[in-house]
Amino acid sequence: EIVMTQSPATLSVSPGERATLSCRASQSVSSNLAWYQQKPGQAPRLLIYGASTRASGIPARFSGGGSGTEFTLTISSLQSEDFAVYYCQQYNNWPPGYTFGQGTKLEIK
Amino acid sequence: QVQLQESGPGLVKPSGTLSLTCGVSGGSISSSNWWSWVRQPPGKGLEWIGEIYLTGSTNYNPSLKSRVTMSVDKSKTQFSLKLTSVTAADTAVYYCARVGVQWDLHYFDYWGQGTLVTVSS
Repeated sequence: EIVMTQSPATLSVSPGERATLSCRASQSVSSNLAWYQQKPGQAPRLLIYGASTRASGIPARFSGGGSGTEFTLTISSLQSEDFAVYYCQQYNNWPPGYTFGQGTKLEIK
Repeated sequence: QVQLQESGPGLVKPSGTLSLTCGVSGGSISSSNWWSWVRQPPGKGLEWIGEIYLTGSTNYNPSLKSRVTMSVDKSKTQFSLKLTSVTAADTAVYYCARVGVQWDLHYFDYWGQGTLVTVSS
């Protein structure tokens, strides 16, 4: 099983500043990496897929990068609605399966 | 706009069977998509349970495979999850989700709102 490790567990950033979240895979997942945002009491929302492609309706301040085993999610200028928990997720072709990172909580500094 | 809605009992007794259904609207369950279940224990992260295709083909999380069965009812535009021999560790919010596919990329692009299932006597 591919293990996804996110860092840091909690990130404190001021509104208007840049936030960079990291996700590491225990083995290469190529670009089969997605990012989700989850707010309390809500379902996760897809932000990025294919490591760097923004999902429909996602603001341009969200960007994803990386390939292989190292990935980042960058939020260029934090808005109040961006404070949430973020998860990365990989897909493995064989055997077919998905694993999530443990999440990074982005909180207001 | 695809919409998914989970339904089923919110309380299941230990050693019993958890049964949930996901209704799909705003899109065809017969389209070329996989349909998936993901769960989240209270205060914890996300865990993939399994997925099913319109043909009935399934892939399950190896850690749950012996207890999981998924099925699809195209006529009712819904798919279902059964998890047997449940314990308190199976207490979680259960989400159904659509798997978006582009080339070999797989991701969850539409989610239900989630339903809390508590395992308790």
